[in-house]
Amino acid sequence: GENVEQHPSTLSVQEGDSAVIKCTYSDSASNYFPWYKQELGKRPQLIIDIRSNVGEKKDQRIAVTLNKTAKHFSLHITETQPEDSAVYFCAASWAGGATNKLIFGTGTLLAVQP
Amino acid sequence: DTGVSQDPRHKITKRGQNVTFRCDPISEHNRLYWYRQTLGQGPEFLTYFQNEAQLEKSRLLSDRFSAERPKGSFSTLEIQRTEQGDSAMYLCASSMRGETQYFGPGTRLLVL
Repeated sequence: GENVEQHPSTLSVQEGDSAVIKCTYSDSASNYFPWYKQELGKRPQLIIDIRSNVGEKKDQRIAVTLNKTAKHFSLHITETQPEDSAVYFCAASWAGGATNKLIFGTGTLLAVQP
Repeated sequence: DTGVSQDPRHKITKRGQNVTFRCDPISEHNRLYWYRQTLGQGPEFLTYFQNEAQLEKSRLLSDRFSAERPKGSFSTLEIQRTEQGDSAMYLCASSMRGETQYFGPGTRLLVL
């Protein structure tokens, strides 16, 4: 069945350093890959997404890259700040399918040390 | 607040009781999703509505679970004869024509 693997499960960086989170998906029909940030006790919030017709997308300090051949996609956060500390989830779906349900990874707890 | 809302935010119940949760999607969003999230895991898909039609249900959704969206606006998720394993965060999300899904704050259920 559909599966998304996410690594690492925890990541600790110093303020100002970069953070990279990687995901692998199993369903080759997947064509939409969002990333959500979830702070403790709060709702998942979309921070960036990418569609399969694009290899890279950037929004200020956040970027996402996609390798369709390898079925990998990654989140890159540069110049990390303490407020970036949260759990980050990657997800995959087949946008344009009947459902567009999201298949989530298991999450990465990012801790940015001041 | 024009985002997705859920009610209640927290629910504590005893095993065997029935519970019902409500989700109000963003206005004019025709797609509504329910997910379940347990501690340390990502959200898992439960069911999906397009307007008032329930078009997909996960195998996670046992016979004790039922969801409705009677007028294509708000949705309810009912769990009958709750079990301790039902304890989780139940998240609702909505989208317009299958684009970005926006999540509600969730209902945290604890079954004693």
